[in-house]
Amino acid sequence: EIMLTQSPGTLSLSPGERATLSCRASESVDSSYIAWYQQKPGQAPRLFISATSSRAAGIPDRFSGSGSGTDFTLTISRLEPEDFAVYYCHQYDYSPATFGQGTKVEIK
Amino acid sequence: QVQLVQSGADVKKPGASVKVSCKTSGYTFSSYALHWVRQAPGQRLEWMGWINGGNGDTQYSPRFQGRVTITRDTSASTAYMELTSLRSEDTAVYYCAKDSHFGDYDVWGQGTLVTVS
Repeated sequence: EIMLTQSPGTLSLSPGERATLSCRASESVDSSYIAWYQQKPGQAPRLFISATSSRAAGIPDRFSGSGSGTDFTLTISRLEPEDFAVYYCHQYDYSPATFGQGTKVEIK
Repeated sequence: QVQLVQSGADVKKPGASVKVSCKTSGYTFSSYALHWVRQAPGQRLEWMGWINGGNGDTQYSPRFQGRVTITRDTSASTAYMELTSLRSEDTAVYYCAKDSHFGDYDVWGQGTLVTVS
């Protein structure tokens, strides 16, 4: 099973700052099969990025994804108040699909 | 719009079984796969399995193989996930999620809390 390790566990930033979230896979993953989800307390996850860098419908362009092989990144260029949440990376290249443990982006 | 509406919270005793439903609308049920993902308190999301909405084929995570069964009722555009031999570690929120066609999950149900106690 592919293990996804996200870092940092918590990111404390102020609105307007840039956030860089990392996701490292235990083996190389096809970049077509990496997604990122946002989850807020008491809510279901919401798809933000698929295929490493494709924004889902309605996701603002301050969100971008990049990476290849074992290292993938979600970048939020300028944090808005609604962006503070937990973000999970997800690989669906290999079965079973797996998720990272999440990065919490909190208000500093 | 596409919606996935799950059944309500449930409390079960250890050793019992639970069956969670996921009623879909707003798209052609038979054209997409549906996944089941769970999230135990403070834990990462965990994929359990999926069902092909068209032919009913299923695939399960080895971690749940033998304990989980995913079925569908195409006439009701509804999928079901049954988990047997429940133990306290199965206490979690269970989600259904629609496959986008590319393997990511583009629409999620609201989640169903299953408490085993």
